[in-house]
Amino acid sequence: GNSVTQMEGPVTLSEEAFLTINCTYTATGYPSLFWYVQYPGEGLQLLLKATKADDKGSNKGFEATYRKETTSFHLEKGSVQVSDSAVYFCALSDEAGGSYIPTFGRGTSLIVHP
Amino acid sequence: EAGVVQSPRYKIIEKKQPVAFWCNPISGHNTLYWYRQNLGQGPELLIRYENEEAVDDSQLPKDRFSAERLKGVDSTLKIQPAELGDSAVYLCASSLASGSGTDTQYFGPGTRLTVL
Repeated sequence: GNSVTQMEGPVTLSEEAFLTINCTYTATGYPSLFWYVQYPGEGLQLLLKATKADDKGSNKGFEATYRKETTSFHLEKGSVQVSDSAVYFCALSDEAGGSYIPTFGRGTSLIVHP
Repeated sequence: EAGVVQSPRYKIIEKKQPVAFWCNPISGHNTLYWYRQNLGQGPELLIRYENEEAVDDSQLPKDRFSAERLKGVDSTLKIQPAELGDSAVYLCASSLASGSGTDTQYFGPGTRLTVL
């Protein structure tokens, strides 16, 4: 079956530090890849996505590149802010039996200190 | 534009009692998802609807869980009877297109269920 593996949290950084959250996946087909973010007290919301190999998704200074050869979709940001503190979920959507099944990682908590 | 609405936000019940969750998706969204999220885990899909048809329900424990989406809009997820292990956050999400793996899902705030 499909699976998504994210690095364990929490990740604790100082403001303006560089961020990487690792995500690797296994899939039977050719999935689309997503990063969702959940801010405290709010629902999950899409941060960025990529639908084919070598695509780069980007939003709010975050980037992730779809690497088919390493089955990875690592999230990066050059300079984090306190307001980026949240839980980040890597996810994929893969076709199975004619429909698309979404699979989420367990989430990585990011804490940014001033 | 209003987001996905869920109610109640919190529910505490005794085991063996029934419970129901309600979801109102974003207007015009054909696809609706119900997920269960255990503490420290990512969401796990329970069931997906395209309009009023359930197209993915392989992860729904059918002995005690049921769901419906009347007229392809609002949806209700029911548990009867609830067990201790059902304590979790139940998330509803919707997306515009049907049958596309690139859909962006819009999530509601979730219902936190505690079974005592």
